[in-house]
Order: sequence, then C-alpha cells, then structure tokens
Amino acid sequence: GQSLEQPSEVTAVEGAIVQINCTYQTSGFYGLSWYQQHDGGAPTFLSYNALDGLEETGRFSSFLSRSDSYGYLLLQELQMKDSASYFCAVRDLGDYKLSFGAGTTVTVRA
Amino acid sequence: NAGVMQNPRHLVRRRGQEARLRCSPMKGHSHVYWYRQLPEEGLKFMVYLQKENIIDESGMPKERFSAEFPKEGPSILRIQQVVRGDSAAYFCASSKAGPSYEQYFGPGTRLTVT
Repeated sequence: GQSLEQPSEVTAVEGAIVQINCTYQTSGFYGLSWYQQHDGGAPTFLSYNALDGLEETGRFSSFLSRSDSYGYLLLQELQMKDSASYFCAVRDLGDYKLSFGAGTTVTVRA
Repeated sequence: NAGVMQNPRHLVRRRGQEARLRCSPMKGHSHVYWYRQLPEEGLKFMVYLQKENIIDESGMPKERFSAEFPKEGPSILRIQQVVRGDSAAYFCASSKAGPSYEQYFGPGTRLTVT
C-alpha cells in the first residue's frame, strides 16, 4: 500500500512561483504523476516522472527523488487560470490502480 | 476528437433506488477506470476494466456496486439500493494502453442521494 501527503492549500500572487510537495510511503512504484482539477471538473494529466530528476513542460515542472520518497510540482509565472487543485498520484509495482493524494488547492491572487 | 463522455452529469436518487452511470471512453481507448471523489478529497480508485473484463475491482465496495464494460457500448457503473453515503462525484477515465499513469478523465457524474 501507499500514502501520499500534500499540503492542503497554497496561495500566491500572479507571476509568482509555487512549489507543491508530495511525499509518499510505498514499497515500490512505477512513477509519480500530477493532475490538475478545476472546480471539481475533469482532472487533467500534467506530468509523469518515471526517473529521478526534473521534467519541464512549459511553465510547469515536476521533480522526483526516489531516495528521498519525495516529489514536487513547480508552477512558474503563475496566472489566474492556474487556480485549481493539484493531485499527485502513484501506481505501485504490480498494481493496476493509480492512488491519488488528497490534493493541494492553489489560489492565485491579482 | 471527442474526449471521455459521461452521462448523466447530475443524478438525483432517493434512498433505495438504483443509480446507473455511463462512460464512453475516448476513441481508440479500451481501458476504463472508475473513481469516486468526495468534496475536498482526492480521487479514490474503484475499478479497472478492459472490454468484457474486470481487471481490478479492489476499490469497489463488495455489496451494491457493480461495473461492466461490454464489447459494444459504454462502461456502466451500477449502484443498487443507494444510501446517502453514496453521494459523490464519480469520474471515469480511459487510456489507450493500460494500466496507465496517463489517464483521460470525463467530466464526472454528480450523484445526490436524498
């Protein structure tokens, strides 16, 4: 089994940088994914880290350190539309399902 | 290119009734996942299906809940004799290959049990 922990809320101003941490406890997993969800709508896939290190996709980057059981999502040049909930998720080795953290609500203020 | 479709978007049922939630995966996707989400919480896995097969139903309550993904037609999540605790948003996701870390989600069905 596994457990994933994320901060519940983060608030920042437009143009700022936000880092959402995800710590996990699992005996082994394939990789760490991140999803975005606006106002209870359809979650959308953002990124996936199979290997340690940084993956960059535009203004968003994701990082994984297996040795530290830790990952993060970095949101740069924050825009109002980035106000949403962000979830980290893992799939344990030998398992089929994605297990999600409880989510971090990001609020961007002008 | 149509995304994952779910219907109905909102469903109100009285206690004891049955709820049927439908999910049509993206074109070319043959793997379907169902999740439940309570307010202010993350997504909880319920079941993973391929065409005509239930692969993993470890997240599904043992009673009253069932799921299918027939050869033709949408995937169905069925909840019998609903109770107030079943009120939640139910999301369906699909992937081309599976099980996948990259899943495409539908807009969800908001079930309210009165």
